[in-house]
Amino acid sequence: NAGVTQTPKFQVLKTGQSMTLQCAQDMNHEYMSWYRQDPGMGLRLIHYSVGAGITDQGEVPNGYNVSRSTTEDFPLRLLSAAPSQTSVYFCASSPVAGGRTDTQYFGPGTRLTVL
Amino acid sequence: QQPVQSPQAVILREGEDAVINCSSSKALYSVHWYRQKHGEAPVFLMILLKGGEQMRHEKISASFNEKKQQSSLYLTASQLSYSGTYFCGFSGNDYKLSFGAGTTVTVRA
Repeated sequence: NAGVTQTPKFQVLKTGQSMTLQCAQDMNHEYMSWYRQDPGMGLRLIHYSVGAGITDQGEVPNGYNVSRSTTEDFPLRLLSAAPSQTSVYFCASSPVAGGRTDTQYFGPGTRLTVL
Repeated sequence: QQPVQSPQAVILREGEDAVINCSSSKALYSVHWYRQKHGEAPVFLMILLKGGEQMRHEKISASFNEKKQQSSLYLTASQLSYSGTYFCGFSGNDYKLSFGAGTTVTVRA
């Protein structure tokens, strides 16, 4: 198993550009989530999904869109990049019960810089 | 709302002990603890469930006080490999897992 994979590993954008961060898992996990990590702020939940076709907002959803058309994939879209979105982005997955009782498996992260 | 985690940083010598505390303003269902090495992804340590027992990972243990909505992580007889940033994560009755700001632990020989 590859576990949770994220692409790209690094990305530089200009203000106003859009892009999609990819996340995939091959563990048949129902629950997937996106976090951003900034110095001194820890991990903040952006969006999460409890299964294909179901998504919901986390703590910091503004400026980001997600969709979950398959169990395996959970892409994160930046609509119009801003310097405040410069961060390291982690995707995570876990079995059915998600954030309540299951281990979260994190991907390696995407380091995004917005100029 | 993010859990409040303290201290922000701690420096230890090998063999010393430390405690990391985490508190929440909302009712909790479970507490998670993760460790992250520099430049890597967070890695799971343990989960404590409401009404469950104290958990242990090697010489690292944790407790969960449901009434006070607090959790503590105990690093006992610390080793060099314990260095990293520790995050507590709280989950309530929804599926959201919110993490604290992290505690950076440095263990020196």
